[in-house]
Amino acid sequence: AQTVTQSQPEMSVQEAETVTLSCTYDTSESDYYLFWYKQPPSRQMILVIRQEAYKQQNATENRFSVNFQKAAKSFSLKISDSQLGDAAMYFCAYRRSNTGNQFYFGTGTSLTVIP
Amino acid sequence: DAGITQSPRHKVTETGTPVTLRCHQTENHRYMYWYRQDPGHGLRLIHYSYGVKDTDKGEVSDGYSVSRSKTEDFLLTLESATSSQTSVYFCAISAGTWNEQFFGPGTRLTVL
Repeated sequence: AQTVTQSQPEMSVQEAETVTLSCTYDTSESDYYLFWYKQPPSRQMILVIRQEAYKQQNATENRFSVNFQKAAKSFSLKISDSQLGDAAMYFCAYRRSNTGNQFYFGTGTSLTVIP
Repeated sequence: DAGITQSPRHKVTETGTPVTLRCHQTENHRYMYWYRQDPGHGLRLIHYSYGVKDTDKGEVSDGYSVSRSKTEDFLLTLESATSSQTSVYFCAISAGTWNEQFFGPGTRLTVL
């Protein structure tokens, strides 16, 4: 089974500041997909950003961006200008490109935003 | 909104009783999944389906069975619930350009 590791169970950030959440993964594949999901207190899982492994350019979605380091098998999420609504659990996920769409999730990082 | 609903949303039951959770989708997606979410474990795959009557086991399938007799419905059954199955259960489908997963609202199950 694939392994996705999020080594920071909890993080906090001041409102309007920048925070980076870490994610590493273990794979022998060369092509795969990586995702970050957000789970606010409502419990709904929301896709934040995605990255395809063969693309060198880091993905960006508004205030959310990733730092994808393929050789290091690292996929960190940067949240800029943090807002109170960013407070949530964040999950990193991995999917192989040539299988039946099975995802592997990390254990999550709980982000607190301090006003 | 991927049109995924789960029922019930909350359930309290007793050890040894059977429990069935239902996932319903409205957009004819082929792949459907059942996960459980527990603190410190993230989301773990229980079973998934790749078509009507086509299912396979995930990482934590012991004690669970599934059925998919129609494209739109994917049922998760706990034949004899145990306290270790107290969890939040999520249904998901694969959709989109990259087959990303979209999730239902979750079911909180408590086994006393």
